[in-house]
Amino acid sequence: AQKITQTQPGMFVQEKEAVTLDCTYDTSDPSYGLFWYKQPSSGEMIFLIYQGSYDQQNATEGRYSLNFQKARKSANLVISASQLGDSAMYFCAIGETSGSRLTFGEGTQLTVNP
Amino acid sequence: NAGVMQNPRHLVRRRGQEARLRCSPMKGHSHVYWYRQLPEEGLKFMVYLQKENIIDESGMPKERFSAEFPKEGPSILRIQQVVRGDSAAYFCASSPWTGGMNTEAFFGQGTRLTVV
Repeated sequence: AQKITQTQPGMFVQEKEAVTLDCTYDTSDPSYGLFWYKQPSSGEMIFLIYQGSYDQQNATEGRYSLNFQKARKSANLVISASQLGDSAMYFCAIGETSGSRLTFGEGTQLTVNP
Repeated sequence: NAGVMQNPRHLVRRRGQEARLRCSPMKGHSHVYWYRQLPEEGLKFMVYLQKENIIDESGMPKERFSAEFPKEGPSILRIQQVVRGDSAAYFCASSPWTGGMNTEAFFGQGTRLTVV
């Protein structure tokens, strides 16, 4: 069974600063993928970034980067140059084999202050 | 290229009625997943389907809930005799068959079910 732990229920950051959202995972499968999603107050789930367990480099997508430390089983999301529109709930998720479901953490509520 | 389409966006049902939630996957996607999000919680897996097949329903409640993904048409999540505890957001996700690790899992906008 796989598990995702997000230990920060809420985070605050000043506009234009960087912020790191923590995510640790547990899995017995040697092949897996890690996902981050953003859920704004409107409720939709927005895919942000993906990291495969065998990827040598950390994933990046614009202002989002994933700090993947396989030995520590952590997959932290880094948002650079925070914007007011980044205020939302952020979920980390793990998927194991092809075609498998995702297991989500409980989320971190990020608030960007002007 | 339309995304994952769910309808209705909002659904209100009285206790004891049936709720039908629809999900049309992205074009070219053959995998559909349903998740439920209770208030203030993360998403919980319910069921995984391919066309005409239920692959994994380990997250589905044993009674009142069913899902299908017919050869033609959208995937349907059906909840019979709804109770207040069924009030939640129900999300559908789709992904393509890649033969390897799925690197994409795109979600619809969700259906918010309220049972009164």
